[in-house]
Amino acid sequence: EAQVTQNPRYLITVTGKKLTVTCSQNMNHEYMSWYRQDPGLGLRQIYYSMNVEVTDKGDVPEGYKVSRKEKRNFPLILESPSPNQTSLYFCASSFGAGGTYEQYFGPGTRLTVT
Amino acid sequence: GQQVMQIPQYQHVQEGEDFTTYCNSSTTLSNIQWYKQRPGGHPVFLIQLVKSGEVKKQKRLTFQFGEAKKNSSLHITATQTTDVGTYFCAGPGGSNYKLTFGKGTLLTVNP
Repeated sequence: EAQVTQNPRYLITVTGKKLTVTCSQNMNHEYMSWYRQDPGLGLRQIYYSMNVEVTDKGDVPEGYKVSRKEKRNFPLILESPSPNQTSLYFCASSFGAGGTYEQYFGPGTRLTVT
Repeated sequence: GQQVMQIPQYQHVQEGEDFTTYCNSSTTLSNIQWYKQRPGGHPVFLIQLVKSGEVKKQKRLTFQFGEAKKNSSLHITATQTTDVGTYFCAGPGGSNYKLTFGKGTLLTVNP
């Protein structure tokens, strides 16, 4: 089954404790991206990757890092999480450039930083 | 930067009533996409519009792309409880590699 998976689905952590949210897709998609969703603010793009070893900032990249060492994986790293990073995070992938191809979203990761 | 505005933010209807959400961009879009997110779920792609003035239908859903390619709408005829969710429009955010979403319209349906 074609899908995007994320882990963990739920995470409660403390300020400053480094964490990684994993994302994997099995559709051989070139493009992957991360979004955060907050009430009243909709979906905002954090980072995206056009291919292996090629990443770029989205609209809200501060406090986040990403890497794309393999085509199927695109982990999101929070090196020193803060309470304002409490949010619902979605990973997405698409066949080509995110602005022109339909996005396939993962199930989401709900992160709480205390 | 490029902005995508969506109205209304919320809409509550009685089952059987029609529903429309509108999307406006500050710049001309090469295409616009629509997504639906059920409560507790993730966004799911509905459709993409590319041509000026394009109209596409999916059963009770009608999607339109404006002549100037700066606005779009989604109209649902005779809503059902299964239509409940948040509807998002999205367009290229300054480059074809970025996708900018509107804030969405939350539709609730009273049976």
